[in-house]
Amino acid sequence: AQSVTQLGSHVSVSEGALVLLRCNYSSSVPPYLFWYVQYPNQGLQLLLKYTSAATLVKGINGFEAEFKKSETSFHLTKPSAHMSDAAEYFCAVSSPGANSKLTFGKGITLSVRP
Amino acid sequence: EAGVAQSPRYKIIEKRQSVAFWCNPISGHATLYWYQQILGQGPKLLIQFQNNGVVDDSQLPKDRFSAERLKGVDSTLKIQPAKLEDSAVYLCASSSSVIQETQYFGPGTRLLVL
Repeated sequence: AQSVTQLGSHVSVSEGALVLLRCNYSSSVPPYLFWYVQYPNQGLQLLLKYTSAATLVKGINGFEAEFKKSETSFHLTKPSAHMSDAAEYFCAVSSPGANSKLTFGKGITLSVRP
Repeated sequence: EAGVAQSPRYKIIEKRQSVAFWCNPISGHATLYWYQQILGQGPKLLIQFQNNGVVDDSQLPKDRFSAERLKGVDSTLKIQPAKLEDSAVYLCASSSSVIQETQYFGPGTRLLVL
């Protein structure tokens, strides 16, 4: 079985400040990990993914995440927040292999203050 | 390349009525997924198709929900009869057989059951 925990439901930062969104996972096998972003009234867009290569993964829009096996974490960061980053962010886990199921966390809403 | 297409974008029905959603995946993508996203939660997988065969429908409420992908391309998801708790966004996603782990999402259909 696999699961994702995203603590808290809302994070607020000032424009230009560091963004840190936390994600912890549980998986019985080495996982694949993902961050998706969802803007209002839109579908989910892939930000970045970890598939057992480099542990520091760079994604779109300046986001990056680091896979830490010892901490079972995959936190998302961005050095400097922009107003356009305001959205809902979902962490997800799957297992390697064909037809693997994607399990999502409940999501975190990011607000960016001017 | 064109993304995942879904229609309608919005639907309002009364409880006990029926409703159908349509999805056209990215061209060539063999795997198609339907997710239910209730407000404040992450997406939950309802059903997964590999070509026109069902891979996983363990979380599909089969007494009222049905889905098909007859020719292995587009798909329909039906609810009959609808309940109030079916109010949610229904997301369709697809993935290729080459990069199986990455799912691409459509904009979703927002369903409100009154």
